[in-house]
Amino acid sequence: SQQGEEDPQALSIQEGENATMNCSYKTSINNLQWYRQNSGRGLVHLILIRSNEREKHSGRLRVTLDTSKKSSSLLITASRAADTASYFCATPSTPFAGGTSYGKLTFGQGTILTVHP
Amino acid sequence: EPEVTQTPSHQVTQMGQEVILRCVPISNHLYFYWYRQILGQKVEFLVSFYNNEISEKSEIFDDQFSVERPDGSNFTLKIRSTKLEDSAMYFCASSEASGAFFGQGTRLTVV
Repeated sequence: SQQGEEDPQALSIQEGENATMNCSYKTSINNLQWYRQNSGRGLVHLILIRSNEREKHSGRLRVTLDTSKKSSSLLITASRAADTASYFCATPSTPFAGGTSYGKLTFGQGTILTVHP
Repeated sequence: EPEVTQTPSHQVTQMGQEVILRCVPISNHLYFYWYRQILGQKVEFLVSFYNNEISEKSEIFDDQFSVERPDGSNFTLKIRSTKLEDSAMYFCASSEASGAFFGQGTRLTVV
């Protein structure tokens, strides 16, 4: 797989359930970011996790990072219909290049999450 | 909360015409970027800009593309002589150590 590949490609759940999306990457990173994109709209930054962090929370979002397995997961708890969107992980294309390691990113294909009311 | 703003939200242009996409990055960020997303495809890096010059560019960013920071707030992407395959959503982003923040995008349609 390529850098920053999400799994599954599509996920369909009922409102109130939890949604878990996974991301795998190939090369060493110093951070990993998750984004949401509603259909045809902009990329909303959800969370950044650094390579020395194992878990991070933001509201109903929980992100984990396992650098030994080169993988990350995004958990959305108590999902809502408004969470319906595509979710992407993004890894730095040049992880140790200073400032651009936070902005020059490689995106995966994304997970399409559908939350049914 | 500070945000990246992009104008216009939609742009339709004739093939061969020049277009300028505009962005206002977050004010205290130092690194700026353009990305594009062709319909149904991945978000792709085009170019990064730091200290008033291009720091990196991808293979996509050929001679038909240019970027400029004409003043202290705006950041522009110019596409000369547009082609049909330039039709895409173009995103501007700016970054700092808390991450990269993207604008709402400009949907460019070349007809």
